[in-house]
Amino acid sequence: EAQVTQNPRYLITVTGKKLTVTCSQNMNHEYMSWYRQDPGLGLRQIYYSMNVEVTDKGDVPEGYKVSRKEKRNFPLILESPSPNQTSLYFCASSFLGGPTEAFFGQGTRLTVV
Amino acid sequence: SQQGEEDPQALSIQEGENATMNCSYKTSINNLQWYRQNSGRGLVHLILIRSNEREKHSGRLRVTLDTSKKSSSLLITASRAADTASYFCATANAGGTSYGKLTFGQGTILTVHP
Repeated sequence: EAQVTQNPRYLITVTGKKLTVTCSQNMNHEYMSWYRQDPGLGLRQIYYSMNVEVTDKGDVPEGYKVSRKEKRNFPLILESPSPNQTSLYFCASSFLGGPTEAFFGQGTRLTVV
Repeated sequence: SQQGEEDPQALSIQEGENATMNCSYKTSINNLQWYRQNSGRGLVHLILIRSNEREKHSGRLRVTLDTSKKSSSLLITASRAADTASYFCATANAGGTSYGKLTFGQGTILTVHP
């Protein structure tokens, strides 16, 4: 089954404690991205990757890091989480090269206290 | 930055009625897509319309696109309680380094009462 898998689904952490949210897709997609969703703000792109070892900032990259060492994986790293990073996070993937839909993970609800 | 503005923010209808949601955007696009999100869960793709298309249908969904007005509408006919969800439009910009990126509107919360 074609899918994007995020882990964990729920995470509560304390300010400053490094964490990683994993994302994996099984569709051989080139393009992967991370979004955060906040009430009244919709989804905003954090980082994206157009292929292995190619990453770039989205609209709200501050406080986040990503890596793309393998095509299928695109982890999101918060090196020093702060309460304003409390949000619902989504990983998405799609093909490049033409109009195409994006596939989304089930989301990670992160609370930073 | 938010590309799309959706209207209305919330819509409440009875089962069997039609639901219409509108989306406006600001820049030139390659395509526009609509997604559905059940409460707190991942987004699911509904339909994609290219910039050179004016109307598209998929089952009970009808999407229109007016590039001169930079707007789109999603019509769900004969709605069901199971259609209750948030609906988002997303635009894919025309080429450049932003190719592949989707920019989302804030969404319309649709509630369909049995």
